[in-house]
Amino acid sequence: EADIYQTPRYLVIGTGKKITLECSQTMGHDKMYWYQQDPGMELHLIHYSYGVNSTEKGDLSSESTVSRIRTEHFPLTLESARPSHTSQYLCASSEYAGELFFGEGSRLTVL
Amino acid sequence: GQNIDQPTEMTATEGAIVQINCTYQTSGFNGLFWYQQHAGEAPTFLSYNVLDGLEEKGRFSSFLSRSKGYSYLLLKELQMKDSASYLCAVIRNSGNTPLVFGKGTRLSVIA
Repeated sequence: EADIYQTPRYLVIGTGKKITLECSQTMGHDKMYWYQQDPGMELHLIHYSYGVNSTEKGDLSSESTVSRIRTEHFPLTLESARPSHTSQYLCASSEYAGELFFGEGSRLTVL
Repeated sequence: GQNIDQPTEMTATEGAIVQINCTYQTSGFNGLFWYQQHAGEAPTFLSYNVLDGLEEKGRFSSFLSRSKGYSYLLLKELQMKDSASYLCAVIRNSGNTPLVFGKGTRLSVIA
């Protein structure tokens, strides 16, 4: 069983608020990822990291930012949330680039 | 760039066999993965093919033809719990770039 945790699971906030979605893994994986997925739609990679102090933007343009100060922690931050940010955000980690372990997701609703 | 194609939806009967196809066009191909995603849940890893041929894992098998840019996932003895989306994903460049997911095939298993 994968040990990767996301908080909060559900969040409803007002427009303009700053939010941070937390993601932690206890498997010692160097590679971590953030995907965005709307219900019934495809996964879009928004950020990834291959190690501490290394972050890259993914295929989908996102107004969010990430940081990787510790191996186990990969938080995602939205400085000013908007209704267009309403979505599910999935964090994943891997030892090898292809076999990803996903967290349960953070479902964000911006009013 | 890369292009991954799979059918949007499929329906099959409980106890039957279903084959979900995936075609891809990508440079630097280094492996193909299949993931299962139940509605409202995160994806979970099913199988990995890097060489041509069939990989069998219980009721699930995955096939790859690198020359044809083609893979399929075969599900035998279908059960109701197999109703889910099945995501084909490709990795490139020795795993130094993140996994890219197709749009997924939504499989409905009916009695």
